Amino acid sequence: DIQMTQSPSTLSASVGDRVTITCQASQDISNHLSWYQQRPGKAPNLLIYDASNLKTGVPSRFSGSGSGTHFTFTISSLQPEDSATYYCQQYDNLPLYTFGQGTKLEIK
Amino acid sequence: EVQLVQSGAEVKKPGESLKISCKASGYSFPSFWIGWVRQMPGKGLEWIGIIHPGDSDIRYNPSFQGQVIISASNSFTTAYLQWNSLKASDTAIYYCARYPIITQPDYWGQGTLVAVSS
Repeated sequence: DIQMTQSPSTLSASVGDRVTITCQASQDISNHLSWYQQRPGKAPNLLIYDASNLKTGVPSRFSGSGSGTHFTFTISSLQPEDSATYYCQQYDNLPLYTFGQGTKLEIK
Repeated sequence: EVQLVQSGAEVKKPGESLKISCKASGYSFPSFWIGWVRQMPGKGLEWIGIIHPGDSDIRYNPSFQGQVIISASNSFTTAYLQWNSLKASDTAIYYCARYPIITQPDYWGQGTLVAVSS
């Protein structure tokens, strides 16, 4: 099974800050990685697919990069509405898609 | 407008059976995959499996194979997630999502809370 190690598990930052989350795969997954945002009590929302492609309608302050085993997710200028938990997910190995453990992002 | 509306919260006892639903509208139901994701209380996301209603192709996460049954009805434009014998560890919120391609969901249901307790 492909394991996804996401860090940090929690993050506290101020409005306007640049925030970065990393995700490490236990084996090469090419660019088969997505990033999701989940607000409390809500369903997940896809933000980025294929490691770096922004889903239509998602603000451009969100970005992703990486390939192989190391991936990063960045919010360039944090906004109050970005308070949420963020997950990476690999889809290299159907049907055993796996998520990272999640990063809870709090606004100071 | 594309909508996925899931059935309401359930409270069940261990050993009971259950079938929850995900009613789709606003698009051609047979043409898109529907996937299921579990979120246990206070925990992260787990991918359960996916079905293509058009040809009944079903793929299960091996961790869930044999524990749940995924099905769909084109007549009712509804996907289902079913248990024959619930365990306390099945307590979770279950989400369905539409997948235009098998790797990318675009619309999600609101989630169904399943609580299993004696």
